[in-house]
Amino acid sequence: QKEVEQDPGPLSVPEGAIVSLNCTYSNSAFQYFMWYRQYSRKGPELLMYTYSSGNKEDGRFTAQVDKSSKYISLFIRDSQPSDSATYLCAARVTGGFKTIFGAGTRLFVKA
Amino acid sequence: GAGVSQSPSNKVTEKGKDVELRCDPISGHTALYWYRQSLGQGLEFLIYFQGNSAPDKSGLPSDRFSAERTGGSVSTLTIQRTQQEDSAVYLCASSLAPGFSDSGANVLTFGAGSRLTVL
Repeated sequence: QKEVEQDPGPLSVPEGAIVSLNCTYSNSAFQYFMWYRQYSRKGPELLMYTYSSGNKEDGRFTAQVDKSSKYISLFIRDSQPSDSATYLCAARVTGGFKTIFGAGTRLFVKA
Repeated sequence: GAGVSQSPSNKVTEKGKDVELRCDPISGHTALYWYRQSLGQGLEFLIYFQGNSAPDKSGLPSDRFSAERTGGSVSTLTIQRTQQEDSAVYLCASSLAPGFSDSGANVLTFGAGSRLTVL
């Protein structure tokens, strides 16, 4: 079993839709949770990170962590064609250096 | 530099040949990481450097893979006697320091990757 599991999709939605991207993890020692966005032929770039459980909002993006169920979510409101990319969830332990990534979900937002 | 620079961006080689992939991290970033990304597999951790030392080489798939870092800056990932299963995108990332704090200072910044195709 991978430490971070993510459905690779693809996920296709119309412009303006609310998108929900999800991951599960198995290591209860994970305390930091990240979402990276990767455009085609580019390296991943950090979108958001959260510590422990709770929500964090940044513009149209909301990251949510539920440690009791080991569930990580990213919500995108008013999705735009420019949001079309692969979204990777990631996690690491406190003080750790190794970031563990999910497989990534390919998102297509149709105009 | 302004970002993490990787070269070559694309490499096609024949099975059995050796390849070298280079990473030039952001100036001042002490930590450097190599990941491998295969289709549908996500990012697989290969090795981590703090300065010129590699405290964790646990992700290197076999003894055909090696990496070094010199001057606390440029790193080279070498794959000897390449096999078709080595075909992937090799991503390098750097950060200010190992570990992670809520300051966000230790976020990984990735290069664009080196796409390796072994025929």
